[in-house]
Amino acid sequence: AAGVIQSPRHLIKEKRETATLKCYPIPRHDTVYWYQQGPGQDPQFLISFYEKMQSDKGSIPDRFSAQQFSDYHSELNMSSLELGDSALYFCASTPQMASGPNEQFFGPGTRLTVL
Amino acid sequence: TQLLEQSPQFLSIQEGENLTVYCNSSSVFSSLQWYRQEPGEGPVLLVTVVTGGEVKKLKRLTFQFGDARKDSSLHITAAQPGDTGLYLCAGASSGGSNYKLTFGKGTLLTVNP
Repeated sequence: AAGVIQSPRHLIKEKRETATLKCYPIPRHDTVYWYQQGPGQDPQFLISFYEKMQSDKGSIPDRFSAQQFSDYHSELNMSSLELGDSALYFCASTPQMASGPNEQFFGPGTRLTVL
Repeated sequence: TQLLEQSPQFLSIQEGENLTVYCNSSSVFSSLQWYRQEPGEGPVLLVTVVTGGEVKKLKRLTFQFGDARKDSSLHITAAQPGDTGLYLCAGASSGGSNYKLTFGKGTLLTVNP
């Protein structure tokens, strides 16, 4: 079965540089979530999109922005990178149902290292 | 802010033993999901519990959702080395049109042969 695809899998950047992470949800999934997981930490919710519109916002820094495109893939744009941004970034997708919480399926993650 | 307390944080047992992992909160969640995560990989969904008091079984794993939908437990019977991994509970809460997850800190399970 098709899974969530994230690219790149690994990314190394210098401080103050920018980075773009991409997420391709499972086919027919129209909701995308982004999470950040620091070393030894649990995943923290950043932001979510449904039908190309931002639907919820968590602890996402102002230096970060994200969007969802017409094909439902999403991109997380990170600017003025800081050492503390080094983490695993996960994308999860879920099919939108008429009601009730949906199961979120996670991608393999992008490991961002800021030097 | 909704918080999930997961315990124990670390657990090292011998093959064949039974174990229980707990996930507790003072908040009510719409559902609770259990994931297993390998180092450097994304969390893999094991089960979702929705109804208070619900019990779900997945082979040797038994998941229970508390009556008040504030707590959950994961019980593993006759643990095997292949069960080794980080187990995360996550509560789903509504954020408008969809549901974000709040994760517990995880239980790192090591099953020794």
